[in-house]
Amino acid sequence: GAGVSQSPRYKVAKRGQDVALRCDPISGHVSLFWYQQALGQGPEFLTYFQNEAQLDKSGLPSDRFFAERPEGSVSTLKIQRTQQEDSAVYLCASSFRNKGPPETQYFGPGTRLLVL
Amino acid sequence: GQQLNQSPQSMFIQEGEDVSMNCTSSSIFNTWLWYKQDPGEGPVLLIALYKAGELTSNGRLTAQFGITRKDSFLNISASIPSDVGIYFCAGANYGGSQGNLIFGKGTKLSVKP
Repeated sequence: GAGVSQSPRYKVAKRGQDVALRCDPISGHVSLFWYQQALGQGPEFLTYFQNEAQLDKSGLPSDRFFAERPEGSVSTLKIQRTQQEDSAVYLCASSFRNKGPPETQYFGPGTRLLVL
Repeated sequence: GQQLNQSPQSMFIQEGEDVSMNCTSSSIFNTWLWYKQDPGEGPVLLIALYKAGELTSNGRLTAQFGITRKDSFLNISASIPSDVGIYFCAGANYGGSQGNLIFGKGTKLSVKP
């Protein structure tokens, strides 16, 4: 079936503007992850959902960042009052299982956010 | 945030050459993964390793999970032009509420001019 999809692919925001980034995981995948990838760096963990429950949000850099997955499928990452340091690629990943034998995460193409 | 030590940061390859890169961590992981990322795309899984000491191959790619569980390496044999890209190692400890990946900073493979 289809892979992980993200929208928009590109977003330009003025400093102070709110943005919302969407992730459609692979159908049936229980776990969903958000990562932030700065230019020239590896992805860094932001937050993790198991179905609709947000089990780990330790990677969110500030209280301006908020993520939700109300029905256990689609997820939205919202950034309020965007700052220039928020400019990065935001990657979403999903995996089928959350416990037992380790499972792998499948990544979407990312949303490139540029804050001017 | 935490990132793994990945080396080299960049390297140039000629077609047919073998390539090696490695990744080290101060923490123990129960899973090591290697990804490749092309420009404008998300990382794509190449190899997954689940046991210390495990050696796994995927075509021309071979990866090993270090015995100490703090390191891993990736070898690419007989490189071809489409191997160009950025390779990331990632460690994880699955189970319970954990599962997020800790990535290295990447190794960029380019073609020798």
